[in-house]
Amino acid sequence: NAGVTQTPKFQVLKTGQSMTLQCAQDMNHEYMSWYRQDPGMGLRLIHYSVGAGITDQGEVPNGYNVSRSTTEDFPLRLLSAAPSQTSVYFCASSPTRTSGKAQYFGPGTRLTVL
Amino acid sequence: KQEVTQIPAALSVPEGENLVLNCSFTDSAIYNLQWFRQDPGKGLTSLLLIQSSQREQTSGRLNASLDKSSGRSTLYIAASQPGDSATYLCAVRPSQGAQKLVFGQGTRLTINP
Repeated sequence: NAGVTQTPKFQVLKTGQSMTLQCAQDMNHEYMSWYRQDPGMGLRLIHYSVGAGITDQGEVPNGYNVSRSTTEDFPLRLLSAAPSQTSVYFCASSPTRTSGKAQYFGPGTRLTVL
Repeated sequence: KQEVTQIPAALSVPEGENLVLNCSFTDSAIYNLQWFRQDPGKGLTSLLLIQSSQREQTSGRLNASLDKSSGRSTLYIAASQPGDSATYLCAVRPSQGAQKLVFGQGTRLTINP
């Protein structure tokens, strides 16, 4: 099992550009989520999905879009990048949201918006 | 609102020592608590998961305890090694249906050879 994979590892964007951060898991997990990690702010939930075709907002969803067409993939789209979106982004998965099982995190994407 | 605190923010100890990392949370009504390790520039690696009905979990040299009534969890590392140097994060799932984990800020641990 590769676990949770994320691409790219690093990305530099200019303000206003759009891009998609990729996340995939091969553990057949129903629940997937996106967090951002910022110094002094800890990890904050952006969006999450409880299964294919079902997504919902977390605590900091503005400026981001998600979709879940398959169980394996959960891409995060930045619609029009802003410097405030400079952060490290982590994708996570677990069997279900309510299973009480551990969450597994990907290696992260370090994004800089100029 | 659940808040998670980890003190100290940084800790430096000589190799071979046993050590304890602390995690406290404001609302004792949690579903479970998870300890993670994060190496610089890397993702989070799950170390231990404790359900609300459990008192402790062990994995190798690591032992995590949970005292819900006092809102505390500790991560005990035995016979520390330089390879244990990393940031350790604890995270609480407030309820079974909670959409997110609530993370502490982490303790940056350095083990000196």
